[in-house]
Amino acid sequence: NSKVIQTPRYLVKGQGQKAKMRCIPEKGHPVVFWYQQNKNNEFKFLINFQNQEVLQQIDMTEKRFSAECPSNSPCSLEIQSSEAGDSALYLCASRGGLGGAETLYFGSGTRLTVL
Amino acid sequence: GDQVEQSPSALSLHEGTDSALRCNFTTTMRSVQWFRQNSRGSLISLFYLASGTKENGRLKSAFDSKERRYSTLHIRDAQLEDSGTYFCAAEDRGGRALIFGTGTTVSVSP
Repeated sequence: NSKVIQTPRYLVKGQGQKAKMRCIPEKGHPVVFWYQQNKNNEFKFLINFQNQEVLQQIDMTEKRFSAECPSNSPCSLEIQSSEAGDSALYLCASRGGLGGAETLYFGSGTRLTVL
Repeated sequence: GDQVEQSPSALSLHEGTDSALRCNFTTTMRSVQWFRQNSRGSLISLFYLASGTKENGRLKSAFDSKERRYSTLHIRDAQLEDSGTYFCAAEDRGGRALIFGTGTTVSVSP
C-alpha cells in the first residue's frame, strides 16, 4: 500500500534532549506532511512541505521543532528540547499534489518516548 | 476549528456480520479519506473520496455529495483481519491538511 519509509521505528530520549526522526516519501511525491498521534488517538498536524518549501506549520512546530525536506535526502523532523508531552507516534505522509484528489500515504511512524 | 466527529468509538463484531462507521463534519469538506491502523501503528489507506461511493471487497464507503458533511464506511461479512482502529480524515475546502476523527476500534471475534 504505502512506500513511505520512516526511521527509526522507536526513539527514547530524556527530557531536554534532541529527538530526530526521518522520512523518505514515496518516489515522485512532492508533498510531505508530519502528524503527531497521541495515546488518545488524537492527530495533530505539525507541518507540511511542497518539495523543499514549508507550506504550513503550527505554532508549536515553529517554536520547538526543526524540520526540513532537502532535495535528494530524507525529510527530517527534530524536536530541539524534548518534553514529556512530546511522547507520541510521529507519522509522515506524502502525496502527489496539494489540490485534492490525492490519496495521502503514511509511513509506519516513529514512536517517541520521552522519559 | 473544524471538527470531525467519528462514531462509534468502539465496535465488537462477530465474524460474518455487517456494520457501519460514520463521520460527521461540522463544516463542508472537500474530500474524505478512510484509514485502518494496525497494532504496529501503520495507517493503511482504504478509500479516498471526493464524492459518491467506492467499494473494495467487503468494504464500502460513501461521502455525502450534496452537503458534504458526513461519510460512512460499511464492513460486510466481517473477518478477523478487519480488526483494527479505523480513522476518517477530511480535507476542508480551504485547507491543505487532513483533519482526523478520533477513531473507531473494531474487534472481530469468531
